[in-house]
Amino acid sequence: QQQVKQSPQSLIVQKGGISIINCAYENTAFDYFPWYQQFPGKGPALLIAIRPDVSEKKEGRFTISFNKSAKQFSLHIMDSQPGDSATYFCAASIGGYQKVTFGTGTKLQVIP
Amino acid sequence: DARVTQTPRHKVTEMGQEVTMRCQPILGHNTVFWYRQTMMQGLELLAYFRNRAPLDDSGMPKDRFSAEMPDATLATLKIQPSEPRDSAVYFCASGASGTGVETQYFGPGTRLLVL
Repeated sequence: QQQVKQSPQSLIVQKGGISIINCAYENTAFDYFPWYQQFPGKGPALLIAIRPDVSEKKEGRFTISFNKSAKQFSLHIMDSQPGDSATYFCAASIGGYQKVTFGTGTKLQVIP
Repeated sequence: DARVTQTPRHKVTEMGQEVTMRCQPILGHNTVFWYRQTMMQGLELLAYFRNRAPLDDSGMPKDRFSAEMPDATLATLKIQPSEPRDSAVYFCASGASGTGVETQYFGPGTRLLVL
C-alpha cells in the first residue's frame, strides 16, 4: 500500500510563529515530494517540492526538510501570517507525473 | 493567465441520474488527472491520462465511473448511475510531462451533491 501519513490534522499558530507539518512515507521508490496549499473553495496549488537527493529546500518563508533514512519530510513555514491559513497536503510520487499519493491534509490557522 | 477550467462548478442531482463533469486542461499540457476530495477520504486519484491515453484508472469504481479524453482540450468524467456516496468535490489537474517541470495545475473543482 502506497501511503503517506501526515500530521497534525490541524494546527493553530500565532502570527510570526513557525508552522511545522510532518509527513512519513513507506514506499522507498518515491522520488518526488511536493507540498500543495489549498484555500477554501479552491483547488490545491503547488507550494514547494523536493527530491530525495537533497535534505532541504527553501523558497521564501517555506522550507522542506527531508530525511531519507527515516522516510520522513516536513514543511516549515517561518514567520507565519494570517494569509497562510489554508489546508496543506504533502504528497509523493514515483517519477513526478506518475500516480501521486496525497497525505490527509493539515488545516493551518494563523491567528493575529 | 492560463488555468484549468471545470464545468459545472456545482451540481445537485438525484440518485440514479447520470452526471458528466468536464475539464479543459491548460493549452499544451499533455497529462490530465481526475481527483475526488471528501472529508473522510481526502484527495484520491481516480484516473489520469497522458497524450489522451488512459494510464491508470485503478482508483475509479469501474462499474459506474468512466473517464475519457475526446480530444486534447477536453477531459470528461461520467458517473452513471450516481449514488449519494459519490457526493464530493471532483478536481481535474493538468501538467506538461516531459518538460522537467512536474507541477500539477488544479482546476477549481466540481462540487457534486447526490440526493
